[in-house]
Amino acid sequence: GQNIDQPTEMTATEGAIVQINCTYQTSGFNGLFWYQQHAGEAPTFLSYNVLDGLEEKGRFSSFLSRSKGYSYLLLKELQMKDSASYLCAPMDSNYQLIWGAGTKLIIKP
Amino acid sequence: TAGITQAPTSQILAAGRSMTLRCTQDMRHNAMYWYRQDLGLGLRLIHYSNTAGTTGKGEVPDGYSVSRANTDDFPLTLASAVPSQTSVYFCASSDSMGSTDTQYFGPGTRLTVL
Repeated sequence: GQNIDQPTEMTATEGAIVQINCTYQTSGFNGLFWYQQHAGEAPTFLSYNVLDGLEEKGRFSSFLSRSKGYSYLLLKELQMKDSASYLCAPMDSNYQLIWGAGTKLIIKP
Repeated sequence: TAGITQAPTSQILAAGRSMTLRCTQDMRHNAMYWYRQDLGLGLRLIHYSNTAGTTGKGEVPDGYSVSRANTDDFPLTLASAVPSQTSVYFCASSDSMGSTDTQYFGPGTRLTVL
């Protein structure tokens, strides 16, 4: 079956760095998406990885290892507005997104 | 641009009643999707549409129906609501299906069925 595993909740301090891990098992693979979702709002696109390695986009970076079925989202210089849920979503062979339950990130001053 | 709009924002519905959740996008995207989001679970696909005039079933289609009369609109109908349909419903769109195009989400409709 298809399965996504990411921590339910994480806490970090403003200004620090946090890494949110995601492991996945899918039927085929067509890349992996990360979305951010603030409480009560819609998910918004953060990143897409299809090749192994690190993709950097400002304070956010996303890493993928296809052989390990593993990805992480790295957030640097944390700000209070980064408090949100982060959703990991690999895409299977049918181009369907398989959604994890999300990691709720709490930023403390 | 507005992107994707959904209506209503929230609704309380008596069990057994019907309801249509509305979704409109102005990005001229071919593909549209309906998801439900429940606490502790990932987004689950209810129905999708590849292009105007075609629809398909997702992971949890029972109790729901959709139509796609034109490119912009993709309403979701609950014919006879049940309490287990209490959820937050998100509409999304992407340029096309069967590709790695990014999905963009509407603001959601919070539905409570009593």
